[in-house]
Amino acid sequence: DVKVTQSSRYLVKRTGEKVFLECVQDMDHENMFWYRQDPGLGLRLIYFSYDVKMKEKGDIPEGYSVSREKKERFSLILESASTNQTSMYLCASSFAGRTGANVLTFGAGSRLTVL
Amino acid sequence: GNSVTQMEGPVTLSEEAFLTINCTYTATGYPSLFWYVQYPGEGLQLLLKATKADDKGSNKGFEATYRKETTSFHLEKGSVQVSDSAVYFCALRNTGTASKLTFGTGTRLQVTL
Repeated sequence: DVKVTQSSRYLVKRTGEKVFLECVQDMDHENMFWYRQDPGLGLRLIYFSYDVKMKEKGDIPEGYSVSREKKERFSLILESASTNQTSMYLCASSFAGRTGANVLTFGAGSRLTVL
Repeated sequence: GNSVTQMEGPVTLSEEAFLTINCTYTATGYPSLFWYVQYPGEGLQLLLKATKADDKGSNKGFEATYRKETTSFHLEKGSVQVSDSAVYFCALRNTGTASKLTFGTGTRLQVTL
């Protein structure tokens, strides 16, 4: 089974702190994604990456950055956390190409609380 | 742009009842359509998908038919179980969007004995 592992299930940070959310996948997927999930808003795409060192902004990139130095790892960075970034963060991955690209595999999520 | 509209939840049903969760979409071209399910404390899992008009996706007793004329992809199940309690997300992927999915807001289903 494909596994997408998010390093922290629950984090509590203070306003202004730098926050790293780590995601690792073990199936050699080319594409990786970061979404945030909020009640009533569903999932919104923050950033995605289709190759090592490649990234593209999603729908809500403000306040976030990402890093993909290795194919299996995709990190989400909050340079200066704010309370409106309190949310559930979901990492996902998929193969590139027409067929594989249709199916995303998700991690269990990281719930971040910013005080 | 692309958008997905789902019915508001929560939906509460008794075990063995019939389930329908409505989903309509707006997209240019010919998107692929998906239903994902999120069980408590877990990430999202693909439930079923359809890639062209009139396709029917099915899995675990759930079905959805891609209706281009009504831009809909309603999820149905003939007899729900308590274990089906979860949040269900409708999503679309448009052509040329590098695997990016656009999700609906999710519908929580609660099934009681």
